[in-house]
Amino acid sequence: AQSVAQPEDQVNVAEGNPLTVKCTYSVSGNPYLFWYVQYPNRGLQFLLKYITGDNLVKGSYGFEAEFNKSQTSFHLKKPSALVSDSALYFCAVRDRGGAGSYQLTFGKGTKLSVIP
Amino acid sequence: DTGVSQDPRHKITKRGQNVTFRCDPISEHNRLYWYRQTLGQGPEFLTYFQNEAQLEKSRLLSDRFSAERPKGSFSTLEIQRTEQGDSAMYLCASSSVGAQETQYFGPGTRLLVL
Repeated sequence: AQSVAQPEDQVNVAEGNPLTVKCTYSVSGNPYLFWYVQYPNRGLQFLLKYITGDNLVKGSYGFEAEFNKSQTSFHLKKPSALVSDSALYFCAVRDRGGAGSYQLTFGKGTKLSVIP
Repeated sequence: DTGVSQDPRHKITKRGQNVTFRCDPISEHNRLYWYRQTLGQGPEFLTYFQNEAQLEKSRLLSDRFSAERPKGSFSTLEIQRTEQGDSAMYLCASSSVGAQETQYFGPGTRLLVL
């Protein structure tokens, strides 16, 4: 079974400050990891993914995420937050060795509020 | 690349009625997925297709739910005898074939069962 935990329901950060949205995962094998963002009444937009290789992954809109295998974490980061980054962020995992299953398992989401 | 589209965007129905949603994937994508998202939760997997074959179904997909992708292009998700607990956002996603491929999501269909 695979699972994702996003320990913070909400993160508040001042505009211009760095932001971190936390994610930890559990899979039986090795993971594929994803971050998506959701704006109100919209679908999910893909931000970035970790497949293999470099543990630091760079994605859209200046976001990046660091894969840490020993801590089973994949935290989302941005050096300088914008008010327009305010949204709901979801971490997702898929077990690379998951017997042909392509389903993503999502966390409950973290609401990011960037304060002007 | 026009993205994944879903129709309708909103649906209000009375308990016991049947509803059908449509998803049009990105044109070159062979895989198509359905997820359900309830308030305050992340999306939960329902089912996926590769071309016209339905290859995986979640236990969340009760007998009242049926999904089809008859020509390997668009897909429909039907809910029969709707219940208030079916109220949710229904999300469709598509991807290319390949273990590493990203799933791209549509805008969703928000269902409200009265």
